[in-house]
Amino acid sequence: EPEVTQTPSHQVTQMGQEVILRCVPISNHLYFYWYRQILGQKVEFLVSFYNNEISEKSEIFDDQFSVERPDGSNFTLKIRSTKLEDSAMYFCASSGPGLAGETQYFGPGTRLLVL
Amino acid sequence: AQSVTQLGSHVSVSEGALVLLRCNYSSSVPPYLFWYVQYPNQGLQLLLKYTSAATLVKGINGFEAEFKKSETSFHLTKPSAHMSDAAEYFCAVSRSGSARQLTFGSGTQLTVLP
Repeated sequence: EPEVTQTPSHQVTQMGQEVILRCVPISNHLYFYWYRQILGQKVEFLVSFYNNEISEKSEIFDDQFSVERPDGSNFTLKIRSTKLEDSAMYFCASSGPGLAGETQYFGPGTRLLVL
Repeated sequence: AQSVTQLGSHVSVSEGALVLLRCNYSSSVPPYLFWYVQYPNQGLQLLLKYTSAATLVKGINGFEAEFKKSETSFHLTKPSAHMSDAAEYFCAVSRSGSARQLTFGSGTQLTVLP
């Protein structure tokens, strides 16, 4: 069964460093998403991406964040200058080309720890 | 704006007992509603979803949920709990139309006692 994969599974970085989190969505999906979950808190939407551009973003997704689909398979989240409060589990998800309400399939997550 | 409230951050049931996990939503437009499950060290897996068809939705692993518009609820049930059901369960809502972002509840940790 097709699945969303994410690398790395864990990342430790120093405050102020740039990190890139990578995701390979399901191959025939057209919508891609990033969510994050700070320890003990809700899963929060960050951004959605369609047709090579951002379609929605939350207030969390400020200028420190960017997303890119550099090739036909990868979808990346970059945090330019990490802060302590960026420590969280980051989930990538993808969904098909249908209407809103399409199931979003989630990857296993990348646990980011900023020291 | 939309929101989701899950009553009970922790629920414990005995093996074989009824599982009831509560979810109430707030949405200004007809919503799509989802239940996801997260096993330890894994991603979120869809259990079931409501997208304006039948109000009683059946999902995987024997779970089902009923959409009640008058109560703005979408509670998750399973008649008989199994040890393997122990996990964290998340209710989520998205708006109809072009918006796709999911708004999640805070989650309910289900413990199944032998």
